[in-house]
Amino acid sequence: DAGVTQSPTHLIKTRGQQVTLRCSPISGHKSVSWYQQVLGQGPQFIFQYYEKEERGRGNFPDRFSARQFPNYSSELNVNALLLGDSALYLCASSLAGGSSYNEQFFGPGTRLTVL
Amino acid sequence: KNQVEQSPQSLIILEGKNCTLQCNYTVSPFSNLRWYKQDTGRGPVSLTIMTFSENTKSNGRYTATLDADTKQSSLHITASQLSDSASYICVVSELTGGGNKLTFGTGTQLKVEL
Repeated sequence: DAGVTQSPTHLIKTRGQQVTLRCSPISGHKSVSWYQQVLGQGPQFIFQYYEKEERGRGNFPDRFSARQFPNYSSELNVNALLLGDSALYLCASSLAGGSSYNEQFFGPGTRLTVL
Repeated sequence: KNQVEQSPQSLIILEGKNCTLQCNYTVSPFSNLRWYKQDTGRGPVSLTIMTFSENTKSNGRYTATLDADTKQSSLHITASQLSDSASYICVVSELTGGGNKLTFGTGTQLKVEL
């Protein structure tokens, strides 16, 4: 069974553009979380979705949005890209979103570079 | 503000040696603490998860300890191997009514050399 998959693996955009990142969770997992990891830092929580509803949001501007589809896959959208948005974007899936103990399994990430 | 601080920031050891990484946190209310290993450019991989009542948990050559009173954790790596070279991230989960709220440390960058 495949783990968490993310696409694309790498992406180069210019300032002001918009980007969509995609994530497919492990089969049977209903919760997806998104994180931003700037080089040399730990991941920062952006969003969590469970059963297609937003269950948590980190301290990110409204330029960041996400959604979860009926098959539990998810997209992260970032509008009006800034140089500071350059980072590794990680997706993590877990069985459910209701318990903090649910282990999260991370995907390989999407490396976004904004020029 | 919930914080997770790790030390040292980076570490270089010789293959076969042991090492201990530290994690201090202020996250409250506490739910659990996790240690992840992250290879460069890859997603983090879970090593251990400990709840409030667990003091020690092992996973092969990795042994994590937790002192919930002092809000400290350590990750001990025994007989290090070249493949242990990675970033080790301490993650503390906040007890919430719904959803996972994780606070990540900035990681300890470990390099194992011959």
